[in-house]
Amino acid sequence: AQSVSQHNHHVILSEAASLELGCNYSYGGTVNLFWYVQYPGQHLQLLLKYFSGDPLVKGIKGFEAEFIKSKFSFNLRKPSVQWSDTAEYFCAVNARPGGYNKLIFGAGTRLAVHP
Amino acid sequence: GAVVSQHPSRVICKSGTSVKIECRSLDFQATTMFWYRQFPKQSLMLMATSNEGSKATYEQGVEKDKFLINHASLTLSTLTVTSAHPEDSSFYICSARATGAPHSNQPQHFGDGTRLSIL
Repeated sequence: AQSVSQHNHHVILSEAASLELGCNYSYGGTVNLFWYVQYPGQHLQLLLKYFSGDPLVKGIKGFEAEFIKSKFSFNLRKPSVQWSDTAEYFCAVNARPGGYNKLIFGAGTRLAVHP
Repeated sequence: GAVVSQHPSRVICKSGTSVKIECRSLDFQATTMFWYRQFPKQSLMLMATSNEGSKATYEQGVEKDKFLINHASLTLSTLTVTSAHPEDSSFYICSARATGAPHSNQPQHFGDGTRLSIL
């Protein structure tokens, strides 16, 4: 069965610090990978996704993620965080074919950015 | 665009009551809607996938008779928690996937969730 592991449950950073959130998945086949963000009081929003091609994916708001197949990882990065990045971040995986079908979510990482 | 409205946002009711949660796609048509459940400090767990006009597909361990799902139109899916008990208290989230080709590449758009508390 597929599973997604997010290593950090809580991360606290100061503004301008660099961010890296870990995500590992367990599935031997081809996968689609996603990062979703949930700002306080809001619904889940898609940050970025990987289907195929360049393993370095650029998303919204300066976020990027790198798919490393050999490590079953899809870590999220941002070079310089802002206070407005305070949110909960969820990594998700879906086995292909199916695109967005049956997303399996990680437990989430709660990020707090202090000014 | 791509707004999903979920109603109610919060409901508190007595044990034994049935509760209906609505999920509407406001500005697009959704062939497929998904229902998730989230426990505190845990990830979203897919409960079922509903396709308009057909029976929902439930994930292993989810009771079909407990969680009734109806997807009667391209803009509305409902989840009814029948004879709810305290252990059903949770945060329920729906998402909707737009029609369009290729269908499998259409993103899921999420509602704000419904917090259900059973006394």
